[in-house]
Amino acid sequence: EAQVTQNPRYLITVTGKKLTVTCSQNMNHEYMSWYRQDPGLGLRQIYYSMNVEVTDKGDVPEGYKVSRKEKRNFPLILESPSPNQTSLYFCASRGLAGIGGETQYFGPGTRLLVL
Amino acid sequence: AQSVTQLGSHVSVSEGALVLLRCNYSSSVPPYLFWYVQYPNQGLQLLLKYTSAATLVKGINGFEAEFKKSETSFHLTKPSAHMSDAAEYFCALTGGNFNKFYFGSGTKLNVKP
Repeated sequence: EAQVTQNPRYLITVTGKKLTVTCSQNMNHEYMSWYRQDPGLGLRQIYYSMNVEVTDKGDVPEGYKVSRKEKRNFPLILESPSPNQTSLYFCASRGLAGIGGETQYFGPGTRLLVL
Repeated sequence: AQSVTQLGSHVSVSEGALVLLRCNYSSSVPPYLFWYVQYPNQGLQLLLKYTSAATLVKGINGFEAEFKKSETSFHLTKPSAHMSDAAEYFCALTGGNFNKFYFGSGTKLNVKP
């Protein structure tokens, strides 16, 4: 089954304790992206990756890091989480744009609480 | 600059009534527009998309949307609401190199029996 998976689905942590949220897709997609969803703000893009070793900032990259060492994986790293990073996080992937690949497919989400 | 505005954070309709969810956009490049639905505690599922072909786009579950360039709108409609349509709906925009995506703030649809 074609899918995007995220782990963990729920995470409670404390301020300053480094954490990583994993994202993996099995559709051989070049493009992957991370979003955070906050009430009343919709989804905002954190980082995206056009391919292995190619990443760029979205609209809200502060406090986050990413890496893309393998095509299928795109982990999100919070090196020193703060309470304002409490949110619902989504990973997404898409194929090549222009030939019907503009559509993003989303993972199930990771709910993060930073105390 | 690109942005999406969804008018109405909450919309309530009776079962069987017309559903109309509003989306306006701003884009400096030809836009590709999407509607996604999110059920509680789930990810986002694509309802339909506009990719510069037909301006009237039909999607899943009886939803459709019409791209109107002159009004910079992409409103989502469904002739007859069903209880199972209760969810949050997001309008999204991309364009250019399709690397950056912009989402509206979402509209929660409530369907009354």
